[in-house]
Amino acid sequence: EDQVTQSPEALRLQEGESSSLNCSYTVSGLRGLFWYRQDPGKGPEFLFTLYSAGEEKEKERLKATLTKKESFLHITAPKPEDSATYLCAVQTRNQFYFGTGTSLTVIP
Amino acid sequence: NAGVMQNPRHLVRRRGQEARLRCSPMKGHSHVYWYRQLPEEGLKFMVYLQKENIIDESGMPKERFSAEFPKEGPSILRIQQVVRGDSAAYFCASSRSERGTREQFFGPGTRLTVL
Repeated sequence: EDQVTQSPEALRLQEGESSSLNCSYTVSGLRGLFWYRQDPGKGPEFLFTLYSAGEEKEKERLKATLTKKESFLHITAPKPEDSATYLCAVQTRNQFYFGTGTSLTVIP
Repeated sequence: NAGVMQNPRHLVRRRGQEARLRCSPMKGHSHVYWYRQLPEEGLKFMVYLQKENIIDESGMPKERFSAEFPKEGPSILRIQQVVRGDSAAYFCASSRSERGTREQFFGPGTRLTVL
């Protein structure tokens, strides 16, 4: 069964304390893996697409990496404005499977 | 505003009424996806549409729910005879290409409350 699992469910960091979020997946025919950020009451905001194992993408304090079984979202020296829920999704041929997200809180 | 637009943002219905949710994709996008999000749960895929075609509706409940994306106008998600369990946030996303990897861009969502 196609599945996406994110961990941890919630993460509290001090400002400047780097960490990583995990997304593990079991799908057949992976076409792409996506990271989104979702703020309360809003729609998910697209961050990255990763296509194949070994690929890395960076944007400001965020860096996404992909292996054959999982993806990591590394957050370097986070700021309070990075507080949000981070969602991982995988695409098969016609479907997208989302994880339940990691709720990140960055404390000043 | 070049983003995905959804309306209404909030919708309140009584049990048994119909709910119609609208989605206008980003300019240049011809593929639309509908998702449902319940509190503490992830986004659940419902249906994938192109103009005048339903490509995949495997996530859509068999009864009371329908979706369309006409040649002209927005995509519509229709829920007939709503029940309390239909209360959720419904998100629409759009993408450009049908082939290969499709990056989706989301609208702000419609929050449906069934009384």
